[in-house]
Amino acid sequence: DTEVTQTPKHLVMGMTNKKSLKCEQHMGHRAMYWYKQKAKKPPELMFVYSYEKLSINESVPSRFSPECPNSSLLNLHLHALQPEDSALYLCASRPVGRGSYNEQFFGPGTRLTVL
Amino acid sequence: QQQVKQSPQSLIVQKGGISIINCAYENTAFDYFPWYQQFPGKGPALLIAIRPDVSEKKEGRFTISFNKSAKQFSLHIMDSQPGDSATYFCAASGATNKLIFGTGTLLAVQP
Repeated sequence: DTEVTQTPKHLVMGMTNKKSLKCEQHMGHRAMYWYKQKAKKPPELMFVYSYEKLSINESVPSRFSPECPNSSLLNLHLHALQPEDSALYLCASRPVGRGSYNEQFFGPGTRLTVL
Repeated sequence: QQQVKQSPQSLIVQKGGISIINCAYENTAFDYFPWYQQFPGKGPALLIAIRPDVSEKKEGRFTISFNKSAKQFSLHIMDSQPGDSATYFCAASGATNKLIFGTGTLLAVQP
């Protein structure tokens, strides 16, 4: 399996809802990432997990809560979002270890709309 | 010093022509330079990448040229096809886990 999968593909939620985004990879990659991408902009890093531990939080508001239950799964829990949080949310993974570089593989993304 | 500058913002090329996108960086600690291709509504796909110990890397119609002294690298798409129409992002990475992306180039290949 050589891909990163993300569910759901689309999500519409109200500002009081709680929802979760899911990311899965079976490539044995031990670093996983959440990005946010607005239209016509590059991906913007949110969180990095390395060996299932949170290693980078790019000062993301607490209404976004990441979770890495195991080496293949990454979740992003959403609560009390704002309309400006509407974006494409991307998950990525990469191999880590001796001789590896930052070769990140992205999933197809979840298109989130906050009403 | 963490920025990667990308140009042009948009590019129109005729089918069969050469598309050239340029990027420049400042941080000499960067040691990995990938290019990503993104179609509308899809995630970025890793296209080709280079390390600074080589000046050029070619994969099919896609070539990265790398100029370490000028701190510049570019993507050349030979024999451009309408299916190449997409947004292209250059990026750079060093010792951290982060990819520093350029601002993107919207490529349109006209039939």
